[in-house]
Amino acid sequence: DQQVKQNSPSLSVQEGRISILNCDYTNSMFDYFLWYKKYPAEGPTFLISISSIKDKNEDGRFTVFLNKSAKHLSLHIVPSQPGDSAVYFCAAGSEFGNEKLTFGTGTRLTIIP
Amino acid sequence: NAGVMQNPRHLVRRRGQEARLRCSPMKGHSHVYWYRQLPEEGLKFMVYLQKENIIDESGMPKERFSAEFPKEGPSILRIQQVVRGDSAAYFCASSPARQGATEAFFGQGTRLTVV
Repeated sequence: DQQVKQNSPSLSVQEGRISILNCDYTNSMFDYFLWYKKYPAEGPTFLISISSIKDKNEDGRFTVFLNKSAKHLSLHIVPSQPGDSAVYFCAAGSEFGNEKLTFGTGTRLTIIP
Repeated sequence: NAGVMQNPRHLVRRRGQEARLRCSPMKGHSHVYWYRQLPEEGLKFMVYLQKENIIDESGMPKERFSAEFPKEGPSILRIQQVVRGDSAAYFCASSPARQGATEAFFGQGTRLTVV
């Protein structure tokens, strides 16, 4: 039962353009969402998060959008840089449930110079 | 990432042996989480511990796997009688409070290979 889904296993974007990574979830109990970036042979690094009471959160080149009615969130990276090439994981959790995060399967982003 | 220390980085075990994975959380963090990543998959929650307490072990296999976070020392994930299917990357994360309140910081992981 995949409660958090990242349907695009890979994405290639030209340097300088916008990268848009998508994530869908099925569990209505999730009330906060996070994006992590992961390089090979390293642990995930936190990028940005959003609470369910918001629909947008911005931090520098990274913006996360949340559409609760559609149970969909997206991460926008603009402008994309070569160092952004990595695997991006969407994760979700619930303040009132378990303390665990539920992760998607990841999207491998490749920035083309 | 450097704040959460996991060792060893790589561990090779023969089938039937025991594997011990260690995690030292960031200074000041009292909450530890273990996740497992199988090839081509996302991270799967295994267990959540606070000092001397297991809070949630709903993701732990029922047999052969155990975890502890003693009052002193690192958190240990122990896998007894390893099988090939245990080969994976095991990540530890720590946070100063409940994970819902803040993001967790991950270690670099231990890659377990069972031969």
